[in-house]
Amino acid sequence: DSGVTQTPKHLITATGQRVTLRCSPRSGDLSVYWYQQSLDQGLQFLIQYYNGEERAKGNILERFSAQQFPDLHSELNLSSLELGDSALYFCASRDRGNTGELFFGEGSRLTVL
Amino acid sequence: AQSVTQPDIHITVSEGASLELRCNYSYGATPYLFWYVQSPGQGLQLLLKYFSGDTLVQGIKGFEAEFKRSQSSFNLRKPSVHWSDAAEYFCAVGVRGSTLGRLYFGRGTQLTVWP
Repeated sequence: DSGVTQTPKHLITATGQRVTLRCSPRSGDLSVYWYQQSLDQGLQFLIQYYNGEERAKGNILERFSAQQFPDLHSELNLSSLELGDSALYFCASRDRGNTGELFFGEGSRLTVL
Repeated sequence: AQSVTQPDIHITVSEGASLELRCNYSYGATPYLFWYVQSPGQGLQLLLKYFSGDTLVQGIKGFEAEFKRSQSSFNLRKPSVHWSDAAEYFCAVGVRGSTLGRLYFGRGTQLTVWP
């Protein structure tokens, strides 16, 4: 158990819909990272938050957005969903040390029909 | 730009045999290097990491990896594979500085273990 909690574990929805994925980082970790894992693209970095502020953006579509709340949990919002958005979405947190090691949740598997 | 190449998409070994998974990276400075393992339906678990110092690093479950700067490689090894090692393995490179924690992953190597 990494200590990172993601909900829901599975989600099935239709094209054009909007979903929200939730992540709680490990206790005490300030940084949250979102990654997308798909067959086409592999594991891709989406976005990073640190103590409520956006720190870095990767290959995140404009239809996607995220935020980190004062209690440090984070949400990834995916809108106008397309078939190609079907993927496993991981959240990870990084400890306060300077090592760059990430602790991953078990992921949220999104299926868009 | 940073990138990671795992040349072997799928490897099959017999239980008890030795294992080496290859990883090459592209990065302009000394990277942070990681190996993660993903079992079906599970998240990514860290096997080992390299930040600095000794280029041979030991990890969990009997795995080790060696950083070779001249070859831009970070190959993962295990002397004797167990059936429970069957999983997908990902090599990743991390950058230093303000984007610490942003990892670039390879496409993964799927390991099958024959009994």
